[in-house]
Amino acid sequence: EAGVAQSPRYKIIEKRQSVAFWCNPISGHATLYWYQQILGQGPKLLIQFQNNGVVDDSQLPKDRFSAERLKGVDSTLKIQPAKLEDSAVYLCASSGIGAGTDTQYFGPGTRLTVL
Amino acid sequence: AQSVTQLGSHVSVSEGALVLLRCNYSSSVPPYLFWYVQYPNQGLQLLLKYTTGATLVKGINGFEAEFKKSETSFHLTKPSAHMSDAAEYFCAVSDDFNKFYFGSGTKLNVKP
Repeated sequence: EAGVAQSPRYKIIEKRQSVAFWCNPISGHATLYWYQQILGQGPKLLIQFQNNGVVDDSQLPKDRFSAERLKGVDSTLKIQPAKLEDSAVYLCASSGIGAGTDTQYFGPGTRLTVL
Repeated sequence: AQSVTQLGSHVSVSEGALVLLRCNYSSSVPPYLFWYVQYPNQGLQLLLKYTTGATLVKGINGFEAEFKKSETSFHLTKPSAHMSDAAEYFCAVSDDFNKFYFGSGTKLNVKP
């Protein structure tokens, strides 16, 4: 079974530029998550999708971050414009139906450096 | 609100020694608890999880954890550390909608 795919793996941009990350979840998984992991910290949930609807985006900085999951499969996360403090690893995860007992399966992440 | 505290951001053990990584949670409802491991430049991999039933949970690579409701703890242990166990370990609690709250992580160093 293929795992969660993410691209690119690494990205370096200047502040105020825009950037987009892509995630393809495990086939059949209804729930998709984007996390931000700042160096030395645990992952922090940015947004959770159930199929193509948003379940939770309470911690997404909506003035600069946006995410979509068209057709309930793959997803993109965009930052526009980027700030220095956005430097982090962005992790995508997916799970079956989004029940509390579900295991979340993580992709390898995209390491973003903002200069 | 749910939260997780991991005591000790860095733990160092000798190869063959006991590994003990501490996790305490705060939850207003019976929790679902998870331990994940993260190797450098990789995503998180599930070690084990507690959802219901037996409070001693066995996971991959010889790790196990015990859910203690009275102590609100879910500590991770392994009887004998191996060099390949060096990584960062994250404890997480999930709510009914599978929203994860992660601890800040513990980096395990294994000395030869």
